[in-house]
Amino acid sequence: EAGVAQSPRYKIIEKRQSVAFWCNPISGHATLYWYQQILGQGPKLLIQFQNNGVVDDSQLPKDRFSAERLKGVDSTLKIQPAKLEDSAVYLCASSRSGRAYEQYFGPGTRLTVT
Amino acid sequence: AQSVTQPDIHITVSEGASLELRCNYSYGATPYLFWYVQSPGQGLQLLLKYFSGDTLVQGIKGFEAEFKRSQSSFNLRKPSVHWSDAAEYFCAAKAGVTGGGNKLTFGTGTQLKVEL
Repeated sequence: EAGVAQSPRYKIIEKRQSVAFWCNPISGHATLYWYQQILGQGPKLLIQFQNNGVVDDSQLPKDRFSAERLKGVDSTLKIQPAKLEDSAVYLCASSRSGRAYEQYFGPGTRLTVT
Repeated sequence: AQSVTQPDIHITVSEGASLELRCNYSYGATPYLFWYVQSPGQGLQLLLKYFSGDTLVQGIKGFEAEFKRSQSSFNLRKPSVHWSDAAEYFCAAKAGVTGGGNKLTFGTGTQLKVEL
């Protein structure tokens, strides 16, 4: 069974630029999560999708972050414009519907904003 | 507010020595509890989880954790550490059946270094 795929693995941008991250969850996993992991901290949930609908985006900075999962499979997280404090690892995870306790994580995208 | 605390930021142990990583939680009711491991450049891998029942849970890679309600703790242990165990370890919690939401709350992590 293939794991959660993410790309790119690394990205360096200047502040005020835009960036997008892509995630392909494990096949059959209806629930998809995006986490932000700042250096020295644990992952923080940004947004959770159930199929193509948003379940929880309470911690997503909506003035600059957006995410979509149009066909209920892969997902894109975008930051526009980026700030220095957005430097972090962005983790994507997926789980079967109703099994949020069993999340499988991708390798993450390390974003550096200069 | 719901929170997970890992008091130790860094721990260094010698290979072959025993290990205990501490985790405390603050939830209204007993949450579901998890330990994850993150190796450099890798995503998080689930080591073990506790929902209810036997307070000593076994996980992968020889790890175990003990739930202690009276101390609001869920400490991770391993009898004999291998050099390959060097990684960052995260404790996490999720509101249980009677609670709301699916959100996993993570601690800040403990970086484990293993000396040969």
